[in-house]
Amino acid sequence: KQEVTQIPAALSVPEGENLVLNCSFTDSAIYNLQWFRQDPGKGLTSLLLIQSSQREQTSGRLNASLDKSSGRSTLYIAASQPGDSATYLCAAYQAGTALIFGKGTTLSVSS
Amino acid sequence: SQTIHQWPATLVQPVGSPLSLECTVEGTSNPNLYWYRQAAGRGLQLLFYSVGIGQISSEVPQNLSASRPQDRQFILSSKKLLLSDSGFYLCAWSVGRGAEKLFFGSGTQLSVL
Repeated sequence: KQEVTQIPAALSVPEGENLVLNCSFTDSAIYNLQWFRQDPGKGLTSLLLIQSSQREQTSGRLNASLDKSSGRSTLYIAASQPGDSATYLCAAYQAGTALIFGKGTTLSVSS
Repeated sequence: SQTIHQWPATLVQPVGSPLSLECTVEGTSNPNLYWYRQAAGRGLQLLFYSVGIGQISSEVPQNLSASRPQDRQFILSSKKLLLSDSGFYLCAWSVGRGAEKLFFGSGTQLSVL
């Protein structure tokens, strides 16, 4: 059964710092991997989707990479801002089921 | 454009009472529909997913049930709530199989007292 783990569980950085969030999954037979953002008490917003055949995806200051063979994905945030403060979740999609989520990394960016 | 509606936003219910949460999607046909629960300190747990009317798959044993009476309507129910049913419930949709994005509703915060 697929398990998704995110490290660290929480992260505090000063504004302007570049940072990396980590995600690992146990079963490499995935169709895609997705990164989401969740603000407190809100639903999830999709940030990036990486197909199994892709190595990375970029959107603005965000860059997500995927290494299926090692079961890892990273989300890189450049020049962090206080507005980036939120919980970031990764999720792996496999055939015959739905997205399996990690527990998330809660990011706090101080000004 | 596609939109997803989920209600109510918050709900406080006594133990043993029934539950009905509704989710509807607009602007798309034959979506895949999902119910997730997010409990305090835990990750997002998949409860049910549906690929079509009347087709419901359950991921975990529980006292909850789901129904899909119409193509774009997904309902989460319980006959008798437990304290452990408290949490943040999220409905989501996608189209196609395998490579599609998942779009979430705004969630329902359920407190069972």
